[in-house]
Amino acid sequence: RKEVEQDPGPFNVPEGATVAFNCTYSNSASQSFFWYRQDCRKEPKLLMSVYSSGNEDGRFTAQLNRASQYISLLIRDSKLSDSATYLCVALSYGNKLVFGAGTILRVKS
Amino acid sequence: GAGVSQSPSNKVTEKGKDVELRCDPISGHTALYWYRQSLGQGLEFLIYFQGNSAPDKSGLPSDRFSAERTGGSVSTLTIQRTQQEDSAVYLCASSQTSVEQYFGPGTRLTVT
Repeated sequence: RKEVEQDPGPFNVPEGATVAFNCTYSNSASQSFFWYRQDCRKEPKLLMSVYSSGNEDGRFTAQLNRASQYISLLIRDSKLSDSATYLCVALSYGNKLVFGAGTILRVKS
Repeated sequence: GAGVSQSPSNKVTEKGKDVELRCDPISGHTALYWYRQSLGQGLEFLIYFQGNSAPDKSGLPSDRFSAERTGGSVSTLTIQRTQQEDSAVYLCASSQTSVEQYFGPGTRLTVT
């Protein structure tokens, strides 16, 4: 079993839609979690950290459920420019980032 | 300011040859990481440097892989006797804290 698992998608949604991605992690010792975004043939870039209390950054909301070892990302009012692969990431021991395989989002007009 | 840079951007090599991949981290970043990403796969951790030392080499897939970092800055990842399964994008990241890692554009390695 992979340490971080995501639904690979693709999620095909119209502009303006709300879309949610889920992720589960197996290492209960993981303390910090992140969502990264990766555009096609580009490097990953940090989208947002995920806090236990839930956090919001504009149209993006991230949630963490430690009891269920579950992380989510909600995108409201989807834009064409949101099309990318979204990577769920856990910070493991030794400051090692453990990446999920990513969820593909395609926003269409 | 300048971000993380990597060279070469693309490398095609014959099976059995050695290759060296270079990473220039963001100035002042003490931590440096190497990952690889195979087609359709997530990022796989290879090795982590804090300064010039590598406290975690657990991700190196075999003894054909090695890495060093000198002067707390530039790092080189060396793959000896390359195999076709080594074909991937090799990504380097640097950070000052453990929260955000800044990635370079990667080196796309193709072993023929």
